[in-house]
Amino acid sequence: GENVEQHPSTLSVQEGDSAVIKCTYSDSASNYFPWYKQELGKGPQLIIDIRSNVGEKKDQRIAVTLNKTAKHFSLHITETQPEDSAVYFCAANYNAGNMLTFGGGTRLMVKP
Amino acid sequence: SAVISQKPSRDICQRGTSLTIQCQVDSQVTMMFWYRQQPGQSLTLIATANQGSEATYESGFVIDKFPISRPNLTFSTLTVSNMSPEDSSIYLCSVSTGSVEKLFFGSGTQLSVL
Repeated sequence: GENVEQHPSTLSVQEGDSAVIKCTYSDSASNYFPWYKQELGKGPQLIIDIRSNVGEKKDQRIAVTLNKTAKHFSLHITETQPEDSAVYFCAANYNAGNMLTFGGGTRLMVKP
Repeated sequence: SAVISQKPSRDICQRGTSLTIQCQVDSQVTMMFWYRQQPGQSLTLIATANQGSEATYESGFVIDKFPISRPNLTFSTLTVSNMSPEDSSIYLCSVSTGSVEKLFFGSGTQLSVL
């Protein structure tokens, strides 16, 4: 099966700084890598995703990069704001199918 | 996107009792899933709820402990049976319209077992 490792488990940054969260995966057949944001008391919400035929994708202040050879992908948040504070989960589909395996999560705290 | 209504949002239960969690979607969806999120942990898939047939359980989860129903394409229930404090978690309903790129989560049920 798929194994997804996520680092760091907690991350504290100053408002306006950048934040980077990294994930590695084990299944070379994985071809879809989403990132979810979970705010307190809510379910995870998809914020950005990337397919394996693309190396980078950007949406305003967030971007995701993928290194398929090394089997790792990263979430980049620039100009962080207090409302970015949440738990972020990476995920990868296994066997190129419709099921996701999630990383352990990163608690991001943005200090004003 | 799909709008998912999950009930109850939270509950406190006594050891040995059972709780049924409901998941209602505002449109027909192909796939419905149930996840568990233990305190401070990641999301673990419990099972895939299949319409009109028995659910497909992941390793470590069994039907006797987590019976699931899915009578139609918009509704599913998860029951946590004979609860113990170790069952204290957030239980999340998730739906997909058939593509892994269209996976949505409900707001979860926060369960505490005393």
